[in-house]
Amino acid sequence: DTAVSQTPKYLVTQMGNDKSIKCEQNLGHDTMYWYKQDSKKFLKIMFSYNNKELIINETVPNRFSPKSPDKAHLNLHINSLELGDSAVYFCASSLGLGGDTGELFFGEGSRLTVL
Amino acid sequence: GENVEQHPSTLSVQEGDSAVIKCTYSDSASNYFPWYKQELGKGPQLIIDIRSNVGEKKDQRIAVTLNKTAKHFSLHITETQPEDSAVYFCAASMKTDKLIFGTGTRLQVFP
Repeated sequence: DTAVSQTPKYLVTQMGNDKSIKCEQNLGHDTMYWYKQDSKKFLKIMFSYNNKELIINETVPNRFSPKSPDKAHLNLHINSLELGDSAVYFCASSLGLGGDTGELFFGEGSRLTVL
Repeated sequence: GENVEQHPSTLSVQEGDSAVIKCTYSDSASNYFPWYKQELGKGPQLIIDIRSNVGEKKDQRIAVTLNKTAKHFSLHITETQPEDSAVYFCAASMKTDKLIFGTGTRLQVFP
C-alpha cells in the first residue's frame, strides 16, 4: 500500500563502513529523488533520476553513489561513512521532471547514525 | 543563487488562533510554490501549493498568498488545532529544475 517505501528505517554504523539505503515507489512516477535532512531539519536535494537517468547531482561527495535499476527504484550507496553523514535521508518521487512538476511524494525517511 | 528564506523558525500559538509563516525566494523565474507539513518521524507531505499565475489560494483553514513582485509568499492557518503542530516547509521551483526548500518552521499549537 505504501506509495514510497524506503529501507532500512534506522541504520547505526561505524565510521569507515559502507552502507546502502533502498527506495521503491509504486505510483508509476518517472522521477525519483534523494534528499538529506540534517539535525536542524534543513532539507537539501542530493540527486534526482528520471527514467533511470541521472538528472540532478548536487555537490555531494562522490562517496555517495545513487543507482536506479528501473524507474520504480532508486538506491543510495554510501562508502567510507563519516560522522557528518549522520542525517535522515528521504527518498521522494514525482510524476514529471522539473521543480514545478507538482507534488513530491516522500518516504518515511531512513535515519543514519554514524558512530 | 538558489535561496528560499523562511520565517519564523519557531511559532507557538494558542488553539483557535491564526498562524502565519513567510518565505522569500531569490529566482525571479520561480513559478511553483508548494508548502509541506512534516509530522514527527514522517516524511514531508504536501498541504497546499500555488503557481505564479495566481495570487491567492485557499483550502479550508489553509491559505497561501503570493506576491511575485516582492518575491514573497505566505502560509496562513486559521483556527489552529493541536494536530496542526508540525514542521512546515515552503519551497520554490528554480530555473535549474530543482525544488528548493526553506529552512522550516516548527509550529506548536497549545490547547
